[in-house]
Amino acid sequence: GAGVSQSPSNKVTEKGKDVELRCDPISGHTALYWYRQSLGQGLEFLIYFQGNSAPDKSGLPSDRFSAERTGGSVSTLTIQRTQQEDSAVYLCASRAVGYEQYFGPGTRLTVT
Amino acid sequence: GEDVEQSLFLSVREGDSSVINCTYTDSSSTYLYWYKQEPGAGLQLLTYIFSNMDMKQDQRLTVLLNKKDKHLSLRIADTQTGDSAIYFCAESSFKAAGNKLTFGGGTRVLVKP
Repeated sequence: GAGVSQSPSNKVTEKGKDVELRCDPISGHTALYWYRQSLGQGLEFLIYFQGNSAPDKSGLPSDRFSAERTGGSVSTLTIQRTQQEDSAVYLCASRAVGYEQYFGPGTRLTVT
Repeated sequence: GEDVEQSLFLSVREGDSSVINCTYTDSSSTYLYWYKQEPGAGLQLLTYIFSNMDMKQDQRLTVLLNKKDKHLSLRIADTQTGDSAIYFCAESSFKAAGNKLTFGGGTRVLVKP
């Protein structure tokens, strides 16, 4: 079946611009996560959505980062006024009722 | 906070067994996972173990958990060149909302022919 998909696969943006990253979870998965993978910080949790509950935003590094999940499916991670330290691979994962999180291929963000 | 540690690098000959080690600090860890990442790709879930188990075997993969020492290992039998990748250990806990994953820094495994 189809896995988690993310778009774009690569994004190059200028410092100060806003970017939107998209995640399509596996159909029927109610939980959705965003993680960030960077050379300096490794893999870090950013935000978690479960059904219609309020998201857990405890991992977002600053108020320039936000995310939404519409209709319990697709999610968009938005980074405003991008900085060079935002350069990383942004990974999305989804989970059904068990404990296994399945990851998408990631979006590589480069801020110049 | 939670901390997960792994060695950085492992070199192994094709056909030998690989053992990748991981330690964690959170005593409330519920599930422990092994993910594989190939260059330019996302994370592939290899296997996971519940914290009340001490061993799990899945084809060429064997996971050993020593809960007392908070030590997790992944053994890959008959290692192949396609096993060259970065392997991440991760833990989740019922305490953490949504069972979010805390990852180790990854172990780069190089399989030599």
